[in-house]
Amino acid sequence: GAVVSQHPSRVICKSGTSVKIECRSLDFQATTMFWYRQFPKQSLMLMATSNEGSKATYEQGVEKDKFLINHASLTLSTLTVTSAHPEDSSFYICSANPSGDQETQYFGPGTRLLVL
Amino acid sequence: DAKTTQPPSMDCAEGRAANLPCNHSTISGNEYVYWYRQIHSQGPQYIIHGLKNNETNEMASLIITEDRKSSTLILPHATLRDTAVYYCIVKGWTPLVFGKGTRLSVIA
Repeated sequence: GAVVSQHPSRVICKSGTSVKIECRSLDFQATTMFWYRQFPKQSLMLMATSNEGSKATYEQGVEKDKFLINHASLTLSTLTVTSAHPEDSSFYICSANPSGDQETQYFGPGTRLLVL
Repeated sequence: DAKTTQPPSMDCAEGRAANLPCNHSTISGNEYVYWYRQIHSQGPQYIIHGLKNNETNEMASLIITEDRKSSTLILPHATLRDTAVYYCIVKGWTPLVFGKGTRLSVIA
């Protein structure tokens, strides 16, 4: 099956710093990638849809200036949490559709962010 | 996207079949039924999906009723490693939207 990786797997940072999370499709090209966030004991919440070569589409309530998304190539999307605060501590998960296959999303292993 | 209703939790004895139900009475004609699962602290794993016919793969079987208003995911021989939260999602040409899912506990 299609493989999606994320880096780092976990990160601890100080309040006020910025953190970049990478999402890569390893064995397929992905025109579209998605970013989700999951708080403890809750379900995944879609944050934004990332399209290669264009601006991301953010879900209602998600601040686009705080969560910067870049999808510069068909295999890489990045999420930067700017000026992170403790309430941004969460499990961030990306997923991707293989180009030409809109039916199935494949998920990365997730990145656990802890902001102190 | 149509909403789904799943029981919050289920138990299953190891080695027995696990049957996870899902109601999706407002499903549209072009929407598929997807099943994913999430093992603790990992990303969701794709299991199976279908439109109207029953589907089977190496992981599970998906039974969709003729009116498409409900479906059942079947894990034929549950193992301890199948303990996870199982999500039933109805989806068209939009991203996956996750509900609360069913927490399946496989018991030795």
